[in-house]
Amino acid sequence: QKEVEQDPGPLSVPEGAIVSLNCTYSNSAFQYFMWYRQYSRKGPELLMYTYSSGNKEDGRFTAQVDKSSKYISLFIRDSQPSDSATYLCAFDTGTASKLTFGTGTRLQVTL
Amino acid sequence: DAGVTQSPTHLIKTRGQQVTLRCSPKSGHDTVSWYQQALGQGPQFIFQYYEEEERQRGNFPDRFSGHQFPNYSSELNVNALLLGDSALYLCASSFWTFGHEPQHFGDGTRLSIL
Repeated sequence: QKEVEQDPGPLSVPEGAIVSLNCTYSNSAFQYFMWYRQYSRKGPELLMYTYSSGNKEDGRFTAQVDKSSKYISLFIRDSQPSDSATYLCAFDTGTASKLTFGTGTRLQVTL
Repeated sequence: DAGVTQSPTHLIKTRGQQVTLRCSPKSGHDTVSWYQQALGQGPQFIFQYYEEEERQRGNFPDRFSGHQFPNYSSELNVNALLLGDSALYLCASSFWTFGHEPQHFGDGTRLSIL
């Protein structure tokens, strides 16, 4: 079983839609949960960072963590064409040394 | 405030050659990690440097080596290049603390092996 499972997509939605991106994980030692956005030919950009179960909101983005189910989600409200990118979930055990990533979900927001 | 910078942006090599990639961390950061990202995959951890020493290593062969300099910048060296080494190589930096700080990435070096 892989440590992290993420649907690679692609996911295509119309502008203005609510997008839900998800990852499941199996390593109970993961304590820190991150979402990175990666545009084509660019490096990953940190979007959301959290370490507790529950919701964290930042503008149009909401990160949700359910440690009991080992499941994290990223919600994007009022999606824009500029949100078209690959979204990577990432996990850290807390030793601040190694991030474990999902494969990434490619999102396309159409006009 | 400069973010993480990597050079070169793109490199083409042939099998068997050696390559050196460079990274300057974000201002105020003292820890550098290197990742390999194959096409369509998430980044895979190679190793991390702190205080000029390799602190942790992922599942990569000894052909992959690194170095950190006193100014916190870092190099990734790959010897005896294989076709399978073609990938985007990402550098990430962070500030070491007894708590936790997230890592910030550069735009990577795209390495193509012919």
